[in-house]
Amino acid sequence: AQTVTQSQPEMSVQEAETVTLSCTYDTSENNYYLFWYKQPPSRQMILVIRQEAYKQQNATENRFSVNFQKAAKSFSLKISDSQLGDTAMYFCASFNTNAGKSTFGDGTTLTVKP
Amino acid sequence: GAVVSQHPSRVICKSGTSVKIECRSLDFQATTMFWYRQFPKQSLMLMATSNEGSKATYEQGVEKDKFLINHASLTLSTLTVTSAHPEDSSFYICSASASNGDTQYFGPGTRLTVL
Repeated sequence: AQTVTQSQPEMSVQEAETVTLSCTYDTSENNYYLFWYKQPPSRQMILVIRQEAYKQQNATENRFSVNFQKAAKSFSLKISDSQLGDTAMYFCASFNTNAGKSTFGDGTTLTVKP
Repeated sequence: GAVVSQHPSRVICKSGTSVKIECRSLDFQATTMFWYRQFPKQSLMLMATSNEGSKATYEQGVEKDKFLINHASLTLSTLTVTSAHPEDSSFYICSASASNGDTQYFGPGTRLTVL
């Protein structure tokens, strides 16, 4: 079974600063994908970034980047130049291709302060 | 990005009635759709996985006779909560992906309140 752990229930950051959200996972599979999703107050889940486990290069998407440490099973999300609109709950998820489903972490509530 | 719609966005019903929630992929064909339940400020709990044309795979502890899932086409899956009770009140979210391992795109969710 897969597990995903987000050890920071809540975090805050000043606008324009950088913040890193942590995520660790445990899987015995070789073929999997990792995701970060954002859920703002509207509760619409939005994809932030996707990482194929077989790729060593860290995925980036504008202000969002990940630090993927496969051996340590760590997948942290860095948000640069934080904006007020980044305030949301962030979920880390691991998709197991053999099982054909995702496992989500408990989420980190991020508040960007003006 | 791909768009997934969900209808209705909010429903209030009386205890004992059945409620149907629709999930549609609007601009792509979804081979797999997922149904989740989410309590306030908590994570998503997977209820079932449905593949077009086959029976849904339910997670342990989810009653398949209570939560009926139909994935009749590559763009539509439905979740029917049968004989709803107040404890079924929750936020239900669907997601769809074009292939195994592909990104899941989420619907906006349905808030169900059972009186």
